[in-house]
Amino acid sequence: QKEVEQNSGPLSVPEGAIASLNCTYSDRGSQSFFWYRQYSGKSPELIMSIYSNGDKEDGRFTAQLNKASQYVSLLIRDSQPSDSATYLCAVNTGNQFYFGTGTSLTVIP
Amino acid sequence: SAVISQKPSRDICQRGTSLTIQCQVDSQVTMMFWYRQQPGQSLTLIATANQGSEATYESGFVIDKFPISRPNLTFSTLTVSNMSPEDSSIYLCSVEDLRRNTEAFFGQGTRLTVV
Repeated sequence: QKEVEQNSGPLSVPEGAIASLNCTYSDRGSQSFFWYRQYSGKSPELIMSIYSNGDKEDGRFTAQLNKASQYVSLLIRDSQPSDSATYLCAVNTGNQFYFGTGTSLTVIP
Repeated sequence: SAVISQKPSRDICQRGTSLTIQCQVDSQVTMMFWYRQQPGQSLTLIATANQGSEATYESGFVIDKFPISRPNLTFSTLTVSNMSPEDSSIYLCSVEDLRRNTEAFFGQGTRLTVV
């Protein structure tokens, strides 16, 4: 079992819609959770971090964490073509970062 | 967040040669890591660069192939030795400062092609 699992996609949404990205993790002791955005040919860019159960909102992005279900999600509201990228879920267990394989998102104008 | 400068940004190298990649951070950080990302794949941790001591390598990666230095809290190098075409990949430096938070930030990456 992988430490962090994501649907690889591709996920396509029309411009203005909500994009929903999901991630599960295996280590119950994980404390820190992150979403990175990676444009093709570029390095990952941190867009959200979440540390406690519930929702955390930052602009059009909302991260959701449910530690009981070992589940992290990212919602992107009012999706824009510039949001088209691969989104990596990452978990810090305290000893190491683990990254998911990423979900490719395409926002269709 | 820390500003990370990684160079070279890209290189094309002959098989059998070695390339050293540099990672410079604008502030002292506790943790520095080296990752590899092959086309269409996620990140694979190569090693944790330890300041003043030998790096900690992940399974499948060895010091002879990927020697790492970290002479201080702001700088590290990764060398890819005796390269083969299978080493063609993007190599990424990442830093984490445990004194501030547990977020990790990445350098711009080095795109390596071995011919």
